[in-house]
Amino acid sequence: DTGVSQNPRHKITKRGQNVTFRCDPISEHNRLYWYRQTLGQGPEFLTYFQNEAQLEKSRLLSDRFSAERPKGSFSTLEIQRTEQGDSAMYLCASSARLNTGELFFGEGSRLTVL
Amino acid sequence: AQSVAQPEDQVNVAEGNPLTVKCTYSVSGNPYLFWYVQYPNRGLQFLLKYITGDNLVKGSYGFEAEFNKSQTSFHLKKPSALVSDSALYFCAVRDPADRGSTLGRLYFGRGTQLTVWP
Repeated sequence: DTGVSQNPRHKITKRGQNVTFRCDPISEHNRLYWYRQTLGQGPEFLTYFQNEAQLEKSRLLSDRFSAERPKGSFSTLEIQRTEQGDSAMYLCASSARLNTGELFFGEGSRLTVL
Repeated sequence: AQSVAQPEDQVNVAEGNPLTVKCTYSVSGNPYLFWYVQYPNRGLQFLLKYITGDNLVKGSYGFEAEFNKSQTSFHLKKPSALVSDSALYFCAVRDPADRGSTLGRLYFGRGTQLTVWP
């Protein structure tokens, strides 16, 4: 399967702990996005990378959140000092160079903060 | 402000009947509009998009959507529903006034659960 891959698929952690999610986009896609989806809501944009450069961040991305894409390939999203409100599905998507708005999403990483 | 409304949380139709999933939007200018589908335990999948041109756009799996600027709507339709169409459907919009952003920053509705019964 050459689609977008996310790991881990599910993470349960205690409040205050740090967690990291990884996303491997489709290999030829230079654009990578992180979205967050809570129960009963649609995905909300968090941040966007073009190659290794983080070009846009949502106000939803508090100081406890950091995302990287060091070599322009895979990306990580780290949440420090997790809070119960961080519980959500974290979605990664990628798109091709000639972006027409079509995103290819991974299956998501579900975070549960106890 | 950009927003997308999906007024129905659930839509139930019988197999073989036509289906409509409603979406209205609120953005300035000419929007870029999208439909995505989410099957259980699967990632969101692109169905179709409207950027410009013909108001009726056709997408995957026999779905189509009609852009209506005067009603600010982009309803998803299919002439004959299948049980396998049962899934969660999301309408999304990109605000053309979203300067400095990219075509990837989409604003999604809350989703509509479509159930097609045999």
